[in-house]
Amino acid sequence: DAKTTQPNSMESNEEEPVHLPCNHSTISGTDYIHWYRQLPSQGPEYVIHGLTSNVNNRMASLAIAEDRKSSTLILHRATLRDAAVYYCILRPPDWGSARQLTFGSGTQLTVLP
Amino acid sequence: EAQVTQNPRYLITVTGKKLTVTCSQNMNHEYMSWYRQDPGLGLRQIYYSMNVEVTDKGDVPEGYKVSRKEKRNFPLILESPSPNQTSLYFCASSLTGRNIQYFGAGTRLSVL
Repeated sequence: DAKTTQPNSMESNEEEPVHLPCNHSTISGTDYIHWYRQLPSQGPEYVIHGLTSNVNNRMASLAIAEDRKSSTLILHRATLRDAAVYYCILRPPDWGSARQLTFGSGTQLTVLP
Repeated sequence: EAQVTQNPRYLITVTGKKLTVTCSQNMNHEYMSWYRQDPGLGLRQIYYSMNVEVTDKGDVPEGYKVSRKEKRNFPLILESPSPNQTSLYFCASSLTGRNIQYFGAGTRLSVL
């Protein structure tokens, strides 16, 4: 299975942009890149996903490298409520051959006031 | 409100005493799954279900059972809990296996 590599931790100042990197050098051509986050004492929640093109939603933006071997989750203005563990996950489109989301250790984001 | 509901949220039990953690979703999702989360090990899948009466093992199924008799419910059963099953458990559901997963708030289990 393709794996992802993320920094263990990152810090950001409040109201500044945050760029959370993820390396996935063994990604296959059809794997989707998903990001989830887990706030303290809560279950993971979906943030964003993409395949090849950059994606934006109300929570964040996802920038995907041209060769798809890396991606970056962008929080445009970090708030204290964005402090969480962020997980980058690869998800094959054929669910019959890939049954689960494989969560790595993620990146612990600390937002400083 | 669309949600995945787990009960109980907290549970302390003793070794060998059978227990069930319930999970229910109100989104008519086909796919449901159980994970456990342990420090340093991240989230690991225990069992998943693609639809009613269809279940399969995840990465760490030993010591657990599940059933999917109804679409909305996916209980996790520990027939004879042991201390190494002390963990934080999450139930999740999605429309199909390829879609966004929605997670419950978690059940913190301690087995003494």
